[in-house]
Amino acid sequence: QKEVEQDPGPLSVPEGAIVSLNCTYSNSAFQYFMWYRQYSRKGPELLMYTYSSGNKEDGRFTAQVDKSSKYISLFIRDSQPSDSATYLCAVRGSGGSNYKLTFGKGTLLTVNP
Amino acid sequence: GAGVSQSPSNKVTEKGKDVELRCDPISGHTALYWYRQRLGQGLEFLIYFQGNSAPDKSGLPSDRFSAERTGESVSTLTIQRTQQEDSAVYLCASSLRGPPETQYFGPGTRLLVL
Repeated sequence: QKEVEQDPGPLSVPEGAIVSLNCTYSNSAFQYFMWYRQYSRKGPELLMYTYSSGNKEDGRFTAQVDKSSKYISLFIRDSQPSDSATYLCAVRGSGGSNYKLTFGKGTLLTVNP
Repeated sequence: GAGVSQSPSNKVTEKGKDVELRCDPISGHTALYWYRQRLGQGLEFLIYFQGNSAPDKSGLPSDRFSAERTGESVSTLTIQRTQQEDSAVYLCASSLRGPPETQYFGPGTRLLVL
């Protein structure tokens, strides 16, 4: 079993739709949860960063972590064509080698105008 | 200020040749990371440098891969005797200090081994 599972999509939605992106992970030691956005031929950029369980909101983006079910989500409200990108979830532990990010495969999102 | 830069942006090489990839981190960032992103796969951790400490090379896939960093500046990732399975995007990231500082990624070097 991979440490982080993410449906690669692709996911295509109309402009204005609510988008839900999800990952599951296997190691309960993971404490930090991140979402990165990667535009075509660019490096990933950090979008949301959450420690432990709970919700975090930033504008149109909401990140959710449910440690009991080892499930992390990213919601995008009022999606825009500029949101079209690959979204990568990443997790990290809090112990000695906590600099190692473990990534999902990424979900390719297209928002159609 | 400038972000993380990488060169070359694209590299095509023949199987068996050596390649060298370069990363210029954000000025003042003490931590530097290399990742590999193969088609349809997530990013794989390769190596981590933090200041003058010994690097963590545990992610390097074989002894054909090596990396160096001069102080807290430029890093080079070298792949010797390249194989077709080495074809991937090689991403470099830097952070101001070690974790949990945010990692800022460069645009990557796209390596194609024919």
